[in-house]
Formats: sequence, C-alpha cells, structure tokens
Amino acid sequence: DTEVTQTPKHLVMGMTNKKSLKCEQHMGHRAMYWYKQKAKKPPELMFVYSYEKLSINESVPSRFSPECPNSSLLNLHLHALQPEDSALYLCASSPHGQGVFKNIQYFGAGTRLSVL
Amino acid sequence: AQKVTQAQTEISVVEKEDVTLDCVYETRDTTYYLFWYKQPPSGELVFLIRRNSFDEQNEISGRYSWNFQKSTSSFNFTITASQVVDSAVYFCALSETQGGSEKLVFGKGTKLTVNP
Repeated sequence: DTEVTQTPKHLVMGMTNKKSLKCEQHMGHRAMYWYKQKAKKPPELMFVYSYEKLSINESVPSRFSPECPNSSLLNLHLHALQPEDSALYLCASSPHGQGVFKNIQYFGAGTRLSVL
Repeated sequence: AQKVTQAQTEISVVEKEDVTLDCVYETRDTTYYLFWYKQPPSGELVFLIRRNSFDEQNEISGRYSWNFQKSTSSFNFTITASQVVDSAVYFCALSETQGGSEKLVFGKGTKLTVNP
C-alpha cells in the first residue's frame, strides 16, 4: 500500500481566513514533503520534514506554516493568503534513511486551493 | 546546479502509436537517481520508475520502457502501443541532496494526449 491521503480535496478561502491542509500516511515513512503546483507547471518544493523535524524550507512566505505532529501526519497551516497562492498543494512521503525504496516519493492526490 | 530538461512541451498521438518522451539532465554528482512520474488530470503524481546512476540497464515494464544513457545524460521513456489512458503529463526528475534530505528537481513536464 503506497497511499498518501490529503484532505480536503478542494478548499476555497478568503484572504483573511485561517485554514489547514492535512496529509496522512501509514507506510512508516519518515520523510514528508509539501509541494505547490501551479497550472501547467511542475511541482515546486516548499518544505521537507525528516524524522518529524523541518529539514528544508525553500524560502516559503510565513503565511504558510508547516507542522509535523507525528511521523504519520503533516499539516500546512494557511493564514492571510493571496490570490496568487491559489494552486494544487501536494503532499508526498518517502522512506528516507536506508533501504531500496529510500528516496522514492509517493504523492497524495492534492488539495486544490482557491484564494478569493 | 541540478537541471532537468524536457524539451517536448506537448505531444499528440493516435492510439496504438509508439511515443518517446525525452529527458536530459545535468548534475555534478557521481551518484544520483532519476525518476519518471505520471500526472493524470486527477492531479496525483504516480511514481513510474527510479534509476540510479550506476545502473545503465534499460528497463521494460509492460508497454513502458526506459533508456538510460549516461554518455548523453539522457533518460528517455517510451510507451509502446499507446492507449487513451496514457494521456497525462509526464515528469522526469533528478534527486538532489540538501541538508541531509533528498529533494526532487523536476523537468517542466510533457503533456501527452492519446487520441482514439
């Protein structure tokens, strides 16, 4: 089973709202990722968590706040977003560390976010 | 810096035709990994293959085959006897290590349309 579950699938929010995106995996993976994907573009990495610690922040604006409460769960808290933040937000996980599959990233179906 | 180039932005074929998607990469690393992902209209990125830099054997999986050539820094993907269900955006990606974590550097993607 290589399932990464993201909720909600769709989200519409105003620029003054606070919302959260959720990502869950039960594959025992120890690395989790957030990507942002605009239409007709490749995914852009935002954050990487390794063993529940933030290891990469690709200079993402502070209105995006990641959180990794445990090894199975990854959240992305959103506050005071701009219309240009409208995009598909993808979560991924990978085994990390050693092993044959250590750096294969498995993606969820994404959350389509619209900021009005 | 790592770079992945997918020169073909869009390809359109008729069902049962063979089609090759090109991928050229740049890296200074001696050990690296290359990946192909498929993104259907639903949005989820589906892992197809990973190849490490020491393994230049070509691989075949059903109608899919991959040709890895280090001499030309290419990792091309061929679909034989294409089907409508193959319609998707295909991304080639290269691994890059940063801060003890691995990240993917994606090409811009090739949109494949298979017409009945």
